[in-house]
Parts: sequence; C-alpha cells; structure tokens
Amino acid sequence: SYELTQPPSVSVSPGQTARITCSGDALPKQYAYWYQQKPGQAPVLVIYKDSERPSGIPERFSGSSSGTTVTLTISGVQAEDEADYYCQSADSSGTHEVFGGGTKLTVL
Amino acid sequence: EVQLVESGGGLVQPGGSLRLSCAASGFTFSSYWMSWVRQAPGKGLEWVANIKQDGSEKYYVDSVKGRFTISRDNAKNSLYLQMNSLRAEDTAVYYCASGYEYWGQGTLVTVSS
Repeated sequence: SYELTQPPSVSVSPGQTARITCSGDALPKQYAYWYQQKPGQAPVLVIYKDSERPSGIPERFSGSSSGTTVTLTISGVQAEDEADYYCQSADSSGTHEVFGGGTKLTVL
Repeated sequence: EVQLVESGGGLVQPGGSLRLSCAASGFTFSSYWMSWVRQAPGKGLEWVANIKQDGSEKYYVDSVKGRFTISRDNAKNSLYLQMNSLRAEDTAVYYCASGYEYWGQGTLVTVSS
C-alpha cells in the first residue's frame, strides 16, 4: 500500500525556521495537504494543494513541492506552533487517501 | 459557522457492531466528498473511507474493507459509518471530515471485552 514518509521529530528555537518534509512516489501527481494537531484537538488544515494557505492561517506557514517531496515551512516559529504535523495525499489513482506518520515539532 | 458533530461511539466487544453518525451544518453538504479518519490512542491519523458527493463512489483502507460501510444522506446532511466485526485494533477516535478543511471533534470507539 502507498505510504508517505515524514521525520518523527523536528526541533527549532523560537524565531527560527522549521522545515518538515513528506515523501511519496505519487506526490508529483497528487496534491498534498498539511495539518496541525495539538493534544486533545482535531486536526487543523494549514496548507492545501501543496502551497495554498487557508484563510486564518498565519503567513509564516508555507508549503512547497519538488518531485516526490513536499515541504511545510514555518518561518519565525512561535511557541504556539508546537504540535504534531501531518501530510496527507492520495495514491496514484487518486482514490485512496493516506496520511504521513506525523512529525512532532518541538519549540526549544 | 461550519459544524461537524460525530456521535455513536462507545464501548463494544470484539466482533460487535457500531454505527457512527456525523451531522453537518453551515455548508453545502451535498457538494463535498466526505471522509472518516481515525486516530488510535497515542498514534497518528489514518484515513478510513471516503464517499463522493452523490454516494456513487466509495473507497476504503484495506484494513476495514468488507467490515465497514460508509454512506450519506444528503437530505439529512448526514454521514454514516457502519462498523461490523470490530477488532481491538479498531479502537480509536473517529473523525468525520468534509473535503480537507472541516473536521469534527471526533467520537471514541473502544473495542474491548
């Protein structure tokens, strides 16, 4: 079955830039979506269609795509950004969705 | 305001059944693909199933195929997940989601004897 691969953890100091990657063979063909999840809460969409930002999401959140890897970038990280981040996409047929394993962002 | 409210979770014995419901409001329900996503305790998100706007297409993760059935009633703005032959590994918070943007708060399903 199709898989998306994320690093388990990323750590940054406040004000620095955090980059979280997500790799998958079908990513050149399928859009990626990024979610932020804080403990005890439902996921919140922060990036859609690789690089679009929903209304209400701070500009420090951005997304990019290159080949089989998509990247979530958080510029000027704040303490409130500490959370789990998940990428989501679909397999090459576009019918089955899949999530990456998640990345825990720690703000030092 | 968009709202997705799940219900129907609870404690069930292995081999048992549950039917989850998701009541939608604040958006045009019939215009969206709808999904169920679950999260086992302390684990990541797992896509379970999705259904096209008119119900004509349905897809499932392999681990639930043949046991779970997703359905919708556009007249009632509601999404459902019929879960049969439940296993301990189905224990999770189940979220309904519309498209990618809107999520409910989840309902907990515990499969245990």
